[in-house]
This record gives sequence, C-alpha cells and structure tokens, in this order.
Amino acid sequence: DARVTQTPRHKVTEMGQEVTMRCQPILGHNTVFWYRQTMMQGLELLAYFRNRAPLDDSGMPKDRFSAEMPDATLATLKIQPSEPRDSAVYFCASGLVKPLQAGEQYFGPGTRLTVT
Amino acid sequence: EDQVTQSPEALRLQEGESSSLNCSYTVSGLRGLFWYRQDPGKGPEFLFTLYSAGEEKEKERLKATLTKKESFLHITAPKPEDSATYLCAVLNYGGSQGNLIFGKGTKLSVKP
Repeated sequence: DARVTQTPRHKVTEMGQEVTMRCQPILGHNTVFWYRQTMMQGLELLAYFRNRAPLDDSGMPKDRFSAEMPDATLATLKIQPSEPRDSAVYFCASGLVKPLQAGEQYFGPGTRLTVT
Repeated sequence: EDQVTQSPEALRLQEGESSSLNCSYTVSGLRGLFWYRQDPGKGPEFLFTLYSAGEEKEKERLKATLTKKESFLHITAPKPEDSATYLCAVLNYGGSQGNLIFGKGTKLSVKP
C-alpha cells in the first residue's frame, strides 16, 4: 500500500530556530506539493515540483521558507528563522500529473509545527 | 479570482439522517473537481474526481455530483464513522498545472 511519508510528525521549537521537514513521495509520482493548514486559512499551497524541478513557490514567504527536492525520493521544506505565526500543520502530497489531465493528489500524515 | 466555497461549515446529523454538503466554485476553466475526507490528526484522503457537469460518482454511502457551478456530496444513511471534515478542491486550466484550490471544508458529525 503506497503512501506518502513525512518526518517528523510533531515539532516544537523556539522562535528563530531552523526547522526542516521531510517528505517521501509515492514512487512513480512526478509531482510533489507542500501545503500548510491552519484553522483560519484552511489548506494553502506553498510550493510544488514536477519531475524534481520547482514549478511554483509563490505561496511561500521567500525570505524564510525554502523547498527543495534533492532526489526523487525526498522533498524538504525548510524554515529559517522560524516565527510563532509559522505554527501550523504542514502536508506533503504527491501525484501523477499529465498534461491536460486532472490528477489526484495523495497526502502524507503531516508535520505539526509549534513555534514558541 | 478562482474561489471555492463550502457550506455549511459544520453539520450535525443523527445516524441514518441523509443530507448533502455543498461546494460552489468560480474558476476560469474547470479541469477537475476533487472531494477529500480528513480525519482529525491525519492528512486528507482522496475520495472522488469529477470532470464534467452531469457526472456522478459513488462510494459506499457517498455520492458526488457536479454541475457547472457547484458540486454536492450526498450522504445516505450516515454512520458515526462518516464523521470527518470533507474538503472540496478544484483544478483549473489557467495558471500553473496541477495545483488544487481548496475550500475550507465542512465538518460533519454523525451521532449514534
């Protein structure tokens, strides 16, 4: 049963510290997405990659967030420095997206980040 | 601007009491509409994709329908295990490829 995995599942850190979240997408999927979920805003797209190349990161605060995909089995989302307003659940999702076709996205269990 | 609005925000049902959740959307061109279920502390779980007006899909007690302006998720004779937040999302033709626009969800509670 193929699944998206994310680590860590929970992270508590102090303001100003660096946070790195990791995601292993489903093997064979060509697109990886990073979302943030809060009660107020719901699910927001931060960035996504197609075949490991960044396609869109307009949803991310550029000065503190960075997303990379060093290989096909690993995507990372880094926050440096972290701030209390970054507290949220961060989801990774992957999917097989083909031109002109809608593709389902499969979500990982999320990383719950608390910045104090 | 592309937008997805779900209603109601919360819905309480008695076990066996059928109802519908609504997802209205405004997009430049709909490529697909997706329904997800999210349980507390978990990631959204894919349920259905609908592509064109008039299309319907079913899974157990759930049936999703699509018109040109909205989608409905019908729940027939719900059980307590159907309690979850149901999310609707759309994929449009314009803009970047593959990114979904999500509504804020409907939190469904089914009491025994």
